[in-house]
Amino acid sequence: NAGVTQTPKFQVLKTGQSMTLQCAQDMNHEYMSWYRQDPGMGLRLIHYSVGAGITDQGEVPNGYNVSRSTTEDFPLRLLSAAPSQTSVYFCASSYITGTTNIQYFGAGTRLSVL
Amino acid sequence: GESVGLHLPTLSVQEGDNSIINCAYSNSASDYFIWYKQESGKGPQFIIDIRSNMDKRQGQRVTVLLNKTVKHLSLQIAATQPGDSAVYFCAENMAGGSYIPTFGRGTSLIVHP
Repeated sequence: NAGVTQTPKFQVLKTGQSMTLQCAQDMNHEYMSWYRQDPGMGLRLIHYSVGAGITDQGEVPNGYNVSRSTTEDFPLRLLSAAPSQTSVYFCASSYITGTTNIQYFGAGTRLSVL
Repeated sequence: GESVGLHLPTLSVQEGDNSIINCAYSNSASDYFIWYKQESGKGPQFIIDIRSNMDKRQGQRVTVLLNKTVKHLSLQIAATQPGDSAVYFCAENMAGGSYIPTFGRGTSLIVHP
């Protein structure tokens, strides 16, 4: 059971380039989300999904797109990379019951935009 | 501003001491709280959670206390070990919300041997 897998682990982009950060989970969780983490700050929500075919914006969605065609995968696309998008990106999937909501995080993708 | 925050950004303790990490929240509608631990270079990992109908919950070496009157949450770690060195985040969920929690800024716990 691999949990949440993110690829790549590291990436360097030039301003204006596009790329896709991959996220896959094998726990059959309905909820998935993308966060960015900047130095000295907490996790800020970019986009999230409550199931296949359903996505919504979080706190900082500008410059990012997502899609959810399967339960397992939730890729994050940077349309035209900017230096302000230099950050560590975490994908998470959630197991939600009537009384709990626990998120399982991937190891992160460290992105630098030059 | 953020509805979840931490009083101290950095906490330094000696190995064997008890550690207390604090968190304030501002939304009285929040009904579920979670503590996560993030080790260097890794993603956050679930530690313990508590619902708003409880004041206290205990795990292995950890205790979470919830004071709804002053909207305050704390994580107590007993007999702190070097392996406890990490950033600790509290997160809240609001009843009727999106089921995606809001995270605080985090507290860095440094354990000196």
